[in-house]
Amino acid sequence: QSVLTQPPSVSGAPGQRVTISCTGSSSNIGAGYDVHWYQQLPGTAPKLLIYGNSNRPSGVPDRFSGSKSGTSASLAITGLQAEDEADYYCQSYDSSLSGSDWVFGGGTKLTVL
Amino acid sequence: QVTLRESGPALVKPTQTLTLTCTFSGFSLSTSGMCVSWIRQPPGKALEWLARIDWDDDKYYSTSLKTRLTISKDTSKNQVVLTMTNMDPVDTATYYCARTSGYGDPGIVAFDIWGQGTMVTVSS
Repeated sequence: QSVLTQPPSVSGAPGQRVTISCTGSSSNIGAGYDVHWYQQLPGTAPKLLIYGNSNRPSGVPDRFSGSKSGTSASLAITGLQAEDEADYYCQSYDSSLSGSDWVFGGGTKLTVL
Repeated sequence: QVTLRESGPALVKPTQTLTLTCTFSGFSLSTSGMCVSWIRQPPGKALEWLARIDWDDDKYYSTSLKTRLTISKDTSKNQVVLTMTNMDPVDTATYYCARTSGYGDPGIVAFDIWGQGTMVTVSS
C-alpha cells in the first residue's frame, strides 16, 4: 500500500488530454513538500518528468504539466502521443512520528488508444 | 554528461547479503550538495526508495529497511555501495541508483538522473 495514491490506469486517444492524480495526506503533500513526477517507458529506467510540482527539466515537452493543491497533485498530458504510453509515478517526502522517507505513488499505466 | 551504472550479482540466496555498486561519472560526491540514492522496483510493482548518501557522508535509510541497509561511498572511485543483509525472495527487484537533488531541504528532494538498473533475484 503506497503512501501516495494514484489510479492504476488511465487511457486516452491520440491528441486528447489526460490527467493523473496523486493523493497524499498531511504528512507529505499536505505538509507542503514538493511533488515530482517520473515517466517509465516499457523496459527502461524512470526519468524525471516534472520537479518541484510544476517545473519541467530541459528537454521535456510542454505538453506535460504538473500542479499541486492541498493534499493532492496532478500530472496533465495534452496532445497525447503514442510515445507517451508508459508508467507514471509521483514522488514526495513523508514525515511523521513513525519516521521520514522519500515516497512514491503506486504508479499509473497510461494507454494511448 | 551525467551517467550512473549499477552492478552486482543477478542471483542471491535467501539469508545472504547483497552488495551493489553504483559507478557514476559527470559529477563528484566530493562536491558540495551532491547526493546519490538507491531505489528498487519489484517486477510489475512500484518504486521504493531505499537509502541516500550525501557529499558530506550524511546517510539516510528507509524506515522499514534501515536495520538491513548500509550505504557508503568511495569518492576516489566515483562509487556508491549498498549492502542489504538477510535477503529474502520478496527483495527480488530491479535496483536503481540515482543522482539526487535537493541537498539541505528534504521536502524538495528529487531523483534527477537514473542508472539503467540491475535485476536481482533472490532464490535458493
